[in-house]
Amino acid sequence: GIQVEQSPPDLILQEGANSTLRCNFSDSVNNLQWFHQNPWGQLINLFYIPSGTKQNGRLSATTVATERYSLLYISSSQTTDSGVYFCAVTALLTGGFKTIFGAGTRLFVKA
Amino acid sequence: NAGVTQTPKFRILKIGQSMTLQCTQDMNHNYMYWYRQDPGMGLKLIYYSVGAGITDKGEVPNGYNVSRSTTEDFPLRLELAAPSQTSVYFCASTHGASDYYNEQFFGPGTRLTVL
Repeated sequence: GIQVEQSPPDLILQEGANSTLRCNFSDSVNNLQWFHQNPWGQLINLFYIPSGTKQNGRLSATTVATERYSLLYISSSQTTDSGVYFCAVTALLTGGFKTIFGAGTRLFVKA
Repeated sequence: NAGVTQTPKFRILKIGQSMTLQCTQDMNHNYMYWYRQDPGMGLKLIYYSVGAGITDKGEVPNGYNVSRSTTEDFPLRLELAAPSQTSVYFCASTHGASDYYNEQFFGPGTRLTVL
């Protein structure tokens, strides 16, 4: 099956710093999403980005489908950015379309 | 729109007990999913459904059953609870197949402990 690898696994930032999170996937996919799981466990959609670049405030994401990776940029980080960031890909596998999550990047932003 | 709702929020079961986790969405989405998230881990797909009356296994289906009698509801059944099923369970839905806009919307989760 498709493998989804995220890096780094853990990241500690000082408030105001910038960071880049990476998601590599092992095969062609139909779409890709980035999620933020806050410290209370809630999963929040950040981007639906099968290809190209999107921006939303301090966050932006780029997916290069032909090279099988996606990047999530966080600029001017804030303490509320803390949590776990997941990349999830959806692909046509045996039995139909399935979504596979990476293990996540755990981010802690210090005040 | 309430989006995706799940009940209960928390539950403690004894080994061997059974229970049903409820999931409802009011967005008229065709696809619905059940995931489990173990501590410190990503989400793993248990079962999914592409429409009423159609369900299929995901990555970790053993010990679970699902049904999809309506578009809105997708309950997950645990028949004989085991400690290995202690986890947080998330239900999600999307509009349609992957060729269309396919953003996933998640419920708030059900935290289940089996003792």
